[in-house]
Amino acid sequence: KAGVTQTPRYLIKTRGQQVTLSCSPISGHRSVSWYQQTPGQGLQFLFEYFSETQRNKGNFPGRFSGRQFSNSRSEMNVSTLELGDSALYLCASSLGTLQETQYFGPGTRLLVL
Amino acid sequence: TQLLEQSPQFLSIQEGENLTVYCNSSSVFSSLQWYRQEPGEGPVLLVTVVTGGEVKKLKRLTFQFGDARKDSSLHITAAQPGDTGLYLCAGPGSSNYQLIWGAGTKLIIKP
Repeated sequence: KAGVTQTPRYLIKTRGQQVTLSCSPISGHRSVSWYQQTPGQGLQFLFEYFSETQRNKGNFPGRFSGRQFSNSRSEMNVSTLELGDSALYLCASSLGTLQETQYFGPGTRLLVL
Repeated sequence: TQLLEQSPQFLSIQEGENLTVYCNSSSVFSSLQWYRQEPGEGPVLLVTVVTGGEVKKLKRLTFQFGDARKDSSLHITAAQPGDTGLYLCAGPGSSNYQLIWGAGTKLIIKP
């Protein structure tokens, strides 16, 4: 069974631009969660989607948004990029609840200049 | 607000030594998960502990869930360079749709 894939793996943007990251979950998984990981802040929860519905959202500004498609693939978008948005963005998929094993992708490393 | 505090934040030891890392909270968790993240990769689940007092072993790794389900520990016996990584604990928050994450323990095992 193929694992979670994320594209692109690396991205360099400048302040003010916007970016879209993609995540393809494991086949059959309907829950996709997004996290931001930085050395100083650890793993910060962005949002979680299940069957195209956002079920929960972390404490991030509205510049961070996401969506999930009918095939469970998910995208997250960051508008008006700031230097502090530089981070590793991870997505994780599971069958349905967060008590289950979260299967993570390798992440997208975003650098904002 | 539910929090998970991990200690130590960083640990560097020689191959063959034993070590213990901790995941503590003032809140009760229904379960706790331990993940290991290697550089350039996403976290990978090591174990889930569910019952207070539970002990689970994974080769040289021993995981324990506190009796009150507020804390957990990971003990590694005879550490090897392959154990190097970031160890994260996580537990379900009061909302079913959010996992609470510790900040992690960065472990380096020197040959």
